[in-house]
Amino acid sequence: EAGVAQSPRYKIIEKRQSVAFWCNPISGHATLYWYQQILGQGPKLLIQFQNNGVVDDSQLPKDRFSAERLKGVDSTLKIQPAKLEDSAVYLCASSIRTETQYFGPGTRLLVL
Amino acid sequence: GQQLNQSPQSMFIQEGEDVSMNCTSSSIFNTWLWYKQDPGEGPVLLIALYKAGELTSNGRLTAQFGITRKDSFLNISASIPSDVGIYFCAGQSNQGGKLIFGQGTELSVKP
Repeated sequence: EAGVAQSPRYKIIEKRQSVAFWCNPISGHATLYWYQQILGQGPKLLIQFQNNGVVDDSQLPKDRFSAERLKGVDSTLKIQPAKLEDSAVYLCASSIRTETQYFGPGTRLLVL
Repeated sequence: GQQLNQSPQSMFIQEGEDVSMNCTSSSIFNTWLWYKQDPGEGPVLLIALYKAGELTSNGRLTAQFGITRKDSFLNISASIPSDVGIYFCAGQSNQGGKLIFGQGTELSVKP
């Protein structure tokens, strides 16, 4: 069974630029999550989708971050414009049950 | 908001030694989880705990759900070099609720 796929694996941008990350969850997993993991910290949930609907986006900085899961399968997370403090690993996870989340390898973002 | 405090932050041990780490919270959780993250990878679920007082093993790993529901412990017996990584605890307040992660315990094992 294929795992959660994410791309790109690494991205370096300058502040105020835009960036987008892509995630393809495990087949059949209705729930998809985007997490932000700052160096030295645990993952923090940004947004949770159930199929193509948003379940929880309370910690998503909506002035600059957006996410969509249009067909209930893959998802994109966008940052526009990026700030220095957005430098982090962006993890995508998918699940059938919320406590059994399968994580992708992450996208490492560096904002200069 | 809810926070989890993990300790220790880092550990340097000799191969073959046993390891203990814990996670505490000011809030009650109904589910406790332990994950391991290798460099350049996402976290992988090791053990899930669903009931206060529950003790669960997965090979050399043993985790316990504290009676107060505000803490959890992870023990690794007879450590080996591939145990190196960052271990995270995570709590869930209610079924379907979001996971709150601790800040991690970084484990280094000297052969």
